[in-house]
Amino acid sequence: SQTIHQWPATLVQPVGSPLSLECTVEGTSNPNLYWYRQAAGRGLQLLFYSVGIGQISSEVPQNLSASRPQDRQFILSSKKLLLSDSGFYLCAWSLGGPPGNEQFFGPGTRLTVL
Amino acid sequence: QKEVEQDPGPLSVPEGAIVSLNCTYSNSAFQYFMWYRQYSRKGPELLMYTYSSGNKEDGRFTAQVDKSSKYISLFIRDSQPSDSATYLCAMSGPGGGNKLTFGTGTQLKVEL
Repeated sequence: SQTIHQWPATLVQPVGSPLSLECTVEGTSNPNLYWYRQAAGRGLQLLFYSVGIGQISSEVPQNLSASRPQDRQFILSSKKLLLSDSGFYLCAWSLGGPPGNEQFFGPGTRLTVL
Repeated sequence: QKEVEQDPGPLSVPEGAIVSLNCTYSNSAFQYFMWYRQYSRKGPELLMYTYSSGNKEDGRFTAQVDKSSKYISLFIRDSQPSDSATYLCAMSGPGGGNKLTFGTGTQLKVEL
């Protein structure tokens, strides 16, 4: 069966510091991978998605970037964090191919920028 | 206007009640519809997936889709305190690269 991991679970970082969040998927090959941010009362905002190694699509211009160095690894980064980067970050995967495939979420990383 | 509208609640019901959660959408290209359950401080968990108009039942949960009205519902029968969570609707259509558009979620509390 497929499993998705995210770490760390919780992170407190000062403004201006760098960020690296990691997501890995087990049990499937060539998945589509997604990064979301969830703010209270605002639902899930898609930040980046990837259909393959090195292929990243950005949905919202912002202070963050994403990379996919391996088939089942997705990394969310920032060079300098802003207060507004605080939130709950979720990684998800789906099967590739035709549209309509369900997405499956990881446990999330709660980021607080002070 | 948002593509997907969902009442944020909170919705409070007694144990054993039938719960109805709803979403409306504006994009007629949406063809695939999902309901996720999210417990506090956890990732969303897929509950139901449908791709056609009509009803789909899974245990105490029934998902209903009315494409003509652009309206989807999730019914929970015999609600339990363990159903207390936020419920998110999500949908996608062709050409979207499997991207989902989410509602903002409805917070449900089932009380003893």
